[in-house]
Amino acid sequence: QVQLVESGGGVVQPGRSLRLACAASGFTLSRYGMFWVRQAPGKGLEWVALMWYDGNHKYYGDSVKGRFTISRDNSKNTLYLQMNSLRAEDTAIYYCAKNAVATGTTDWLDPWGQGTLVTVSS
Amino acid sequence: QSVLTQPPSVSGAPGQGVTISCTGSRSNIGAGYDVHWYQQLPGTAPKVLIFANTRRPSGVPDRFFGSKSGTSASLAITGLQAEDEADYYCQSYDSNLSGSVFGGGTKVTVL
Repeated sequence: QVQLVESGGGVVQPGRSLRLACAASGFTLSRYGMFWVRQAPGKGLEWVALMWYDGNHKYYGDSVKGRFTISRDNSKNTLYLQMNSLRAEDTAIYYCAKNAVATGTTDWLDPWGQGTLVTVSS
Repeated sequence: QSVLTQPPSVSGAPGQGVTISCTGSRSNIGAGYDVHWYQQLPGTAPKVLIFANTRRPSGVPDRFFGSKSGTSASLAITGLQAEDEADYYCQSYDSNLSGSVFGGGTKVTVL
């Protein structure tokens, strides 16, 4: 059964860092494009980061570019999101999601994890 | 401001139909990239409802229809049921951003 489980969320002060993890099971992470998508309280979905299946291409939304880094550990089949210089506006539920089609990056996202809440507040 | 534009809300009586529009541009929907639709129930993660413009995953009722034309797409729900109350999002790929783009979401209310 294909499943994604996020962890690492919590309350953090502005300017500090946090690393989120997304443990994948039922498939091999390195065969799929993987996404981080966030949702601020009461707001819509916002694409945050994308890593191609080959691990060599990484892209970021404008609001996080230069502050967030997507990576993965193939041996642990786990995706990460390193978040630095956090701001109040980064407060959101962070979801990881898998590109539905192997080696693709333009397809639908399925499945999604349950999400992990990040709150940036002093 | 979302890259794809959706109406904030639509509503209809049980049994009636509603349509949600999703308007993009030449770097996403208009460039030929597929549009996908997600349903998000309160407190849960989004789930794919329509993929590749018109296709329904197994288990999705045939009351849900997707279409795409030019730089826009639409999701139609016929025979509204109370369980259809949710937020709906469209998604595509954008060549300028080299990543996904979402609509702002549409809240469907069953009157």
